Order: sequence, then structure tokens, then C-alpha cells
Amino acid sequence: DQQVKQNSPSLSVQEGRISILNCDYTNSMFDYFLWYKKYPAEGPTFLISISSIKDKNEDGRFTVFLNKSAKHLSLHIVPSQPGDSAVYFCAAKFNAGGTSYGKLTFGQGTILTVHP
Amino acid sequence: DTGVSQDPRHKITKRGQNVTFRCDPISEHNRLYWYRQTLGQGPEFLTYFQNEAQLEKSRLLSDRFSAERPKGSFSTLEIQRTEQGDSAMYLCASSIRDYYNEQFFGPGTRLTVL
Repeated sequence: DQQVKQNSPSLSVQEGRISILNCDYTNSMFDYFLWYKKYPAEGPTFLISISSIKDKNEDGRFTVFLNKSAKHLSLHIVPSQPGDSAVYFCAAKFNAGGTSYGKLTFGQGTILTVHP
Repeated sequence: DTGVSQDPRHKITKRGQNVTFRCDPISEHNRLYWYRQTLGQGPEFLTYFQNEAQLEKSRLLSDRFSAERPKGSFSTLEIQRTEQGDSAMYLCASSIRDYYNEQFFGPGTRLTVL
């Protein structure tokens, strides 16, 4: 049961253009969403997050949009840089009856390649 | 801030052997998580500690897996009688108690079972 899905295994973008990575979820209890970036031979690194009470969060070149009715979120990177080339994971969590363990449920990841 | 560290980074073992991995979280973080990642997939939750208490275990964690976090500091993950299906990257993450804080991941231990 894949509760968080990233349906695009890969994305190729030209340097300076916008990268849009998408993520869908099925569990309506999820209330906090995060994006992580992963380089080879390293652990995932946190990028940006959004609470379910918001529909947008911005941090520099990175913006995350949340559409709760569609159970969809997206990560926009503008402008894209070659150093952004990595695997991007979307993750979600929920507060289980007031006892929040905070475990993350991840999507399968999208490989972003930014060409110079 | 030294970050989350994991040891060893790579482990090759023969089927049937036992292996143990270690994770050292960021010092002030009281929450510690173990995840497993296989090729082409995102990390999957295995187990969670708050201080020294193991509060949640995934059904992915069979009886051959055991995790400890004595004294609420470092944690170990042991796999007994390894199987080829155990080959994966084992990731450790830590965070502070606030729900809205992100988890910080270590570099992972890559296990190969021959």
C-alpha cells in the first residue's frame, strides 16, 4: 500500500529553468509534508516542509505547494542549477491521536538532472 | 554540530551471519528512527525510540531484527541469520521532540548479503 507516490521516476531540466516535482498521497490523516534531497552515498537532506494548514511555503529558490483536496503537493525549484541534480523524496507524517511519533512515509523518489 | 553518524558505512556478509550497525544521533536529539531503503524505493520506517524507550516497530521488522538504544544515546540495529533480502541501505535519523521539526539523517550503512 503506497500511501505516498511520486509517479515520475526522473525529470530533466535545463539550467535556469523551473523544475517541478510532484507527489500524491492517499492517507487523509497526513498533516505535515517534507521534501528531502539525496546525493549518492549520502543520507537524505531536509529541504523544505509544509503544514496542512497552509497551501504554500517558500524558502529561497524552493517553493512547496499543497492541494489538500487533490491530495497533491509539488516542489518548485527556480532557477534550477546543476548542483540541484539529485534524488528528491517527498515524505509525509501524521499525529496519531495526540501521540506523535513523527515517523515519515516516503515516496519512491524522483531523479532530477539539471543540464548546464 | 557533528550530525548523525553511522558505522560501518558498508558491510558485506554471508547469508546466515549476524550483523550489527551503530547510529550516533545529534547529541540533543531525543528521538531516533531507523529506516531501510532498497534500490528504486524511498526509505521505509523500521522502528522509533524516544530516549531509551522503543515506542514503535514496523511489521517490516521481523523477529530477526532487534534494536536498542541504551541510555538514550547511540542506537544499535542487529540482524540475526541474515538473508539476501536483507540487502539494503539502513538509515538512521534523529530529531528533537517538536513534531514540526525535520529528521536529520545519517549517511547510512549499506548491507550486502551474499
